[in-house]
Amino acid sequence: DQQVKQNSPSLSVQEGRISILNCDYTNSMFDYFLWYKKYPAEGPTFLISISSIKDKNEDGRFTVFLNKSAKHLSLHIVPSQPGDSAVYFCAAPSAYGANNLFFGTGTRLTVIP
Amino acid sequence: SQTIHQWPATLVQPVGSPLSLECTVEGTSNPNLYWYRQAAGRGLQLLFYSVGIGQISSEVPQNLSASRPQDRQFILSSKKLLLSDSGFYLCAWNLSWGARNTIYFGEGSWLTVV
Repeated sequence: DQQVKQNSPSLSVQEGRISILNCDYTNSMFDYFLWYKKYPAEGPTFLISISSIKDKNEDGRFTVFLNKSAKHLSLHIVPSQPGDSAVYFCAAPSAYGANNLFFGTGTRLTVIP
Repeated sequence: SQTIHQWPATLVQPVGSPLSLECTVEGTSNPNLYWYRQAAGRGLQLLFYSVGIGQISSEVPQNLSASRPQDRQFILSSKKLLLSDSGFYLCAWNLSWGARNTIYFGEGSWLTVV
């Protein structure tokens, strides 16, 4: 059962425009969410996170929005740059057991110069 | 600062052959350690986690196994590889329990079973 879902496998955006990556979750117990960025043949790197006590967290060009009632979060990248082309994963910590993360299936972002 | 390394970076193995992927973490003590797999077109799936030496928990049934012979060493093994074992394997670590703890990943290992 996929508890964190990314329904768009790919997204193409022109350089300079906004990229919006979406993520849905099913477990209302999740209270913390993370976004990771992954280049081919490399490990994912942490990008930005948000706690459920907030509905927005901003870090430079990256902003994550959380809508708890809809169980939805999104990552906005403005302005998009070619170096942002990568696979983006959203994740949420497991509520029990080890401190691992549930990951979505990822969205491949391509920023066109 | 903490670093994590895993090797080999790539390997091609025939079906039925054994597997050993190694991972080490430096600059910290008693980390939680994880093995994830990214199969083609799929997300990151947790395979094993360990909270201490000799303590291994498996998240999914499979023909893989994991061991933690030392505090900062985590090994992924198989006695006989299957074609379906092909994928990108990632070792990862973090420090403490609790819901708000980022996991840090190694460089990954590409396994192709032929």
